[in-house]
Amino acid sequence: DAGITQSPRHKVTETGTPVTLRCHQTENHRYMYWYRQDPGHGLRLIHYSYGVKDTDKGEVSDGYSVSRSKTEDFLLTLESATSSQTSVYFCAISGGGSNTEAFFGQGTRLTVV
Amino acid sequence: AQSVAQPEDQVNVAEGNPLTVKCTYSVSGNPYLFWYVQYPNRGLQFLLKYITGDNLVKGSYGFEAEFNKSQTSFHLKKPSALVSDSALYFCAVRDGGYQKVTFGTGTKLQVIP
Repeated sequence: DAGITQSPRHKVTETGTPVTLRCHQTENHRYMYWYRQDPGHGLRLIHYSYGVKDTDKGEVSDGYSVSRSKTEDFLLTLESATSSQTSVYFCAISGGGSNTEAFFGQGTRLTVV
Repeated sequence: AQSVAQPEDQVNVAEGNPLTVKCTYSVSGNPYLFWYVQYPNRGLQFLLKYITGDNLVKGSYGFEAEFNKSQTSFHLKKPSALVSDSALYFCAVRDGGYQKVTFGTGTKLQVIP
């Protein structure tokens, strides 16, 4: 796998609590993405970043916020977790230009009870 | 808006037979097209991409894909399937002018010994 690490790998949290997932890369890639994977929906983009402090919304951004204060770190925060946010979350990175393919982390399985 | 359709939830093929996993797309600009594979409890792995050039693209593990602009398709193929090819396959598209990548819902490939 490319130098991309997600933490934690598994988390169980209660409804209404804030949760932060971390994505760390060692590839110095410009673009970073957060996706969620749910049966029947494939991967859906939550937010992405095109540089430090530069982020944009994806197709399912409600209830999520992100921050990128350093090139290597991209944080996803569930402001007040709900059961509908139970999912597997994947971080991805890409270099852009001709290196446009994405490399994915191992995923974080989040359960909201 | 861009979109990807994978019309088959599951494809079954006998070991040694050729396989095809179908993908059609819709974008307003020039398409960048990708195939990824996901093994159980793992992140997605990049297989191949089409950006420009030859319509037949060769990728990892003996896979190839054919870009057909008139049919807006990018089907994944392999001449001889292996049991180890059994996995979940995702097609993805990006409008060349943007960084957002849209994934299909995935096709489960089952290679039968």
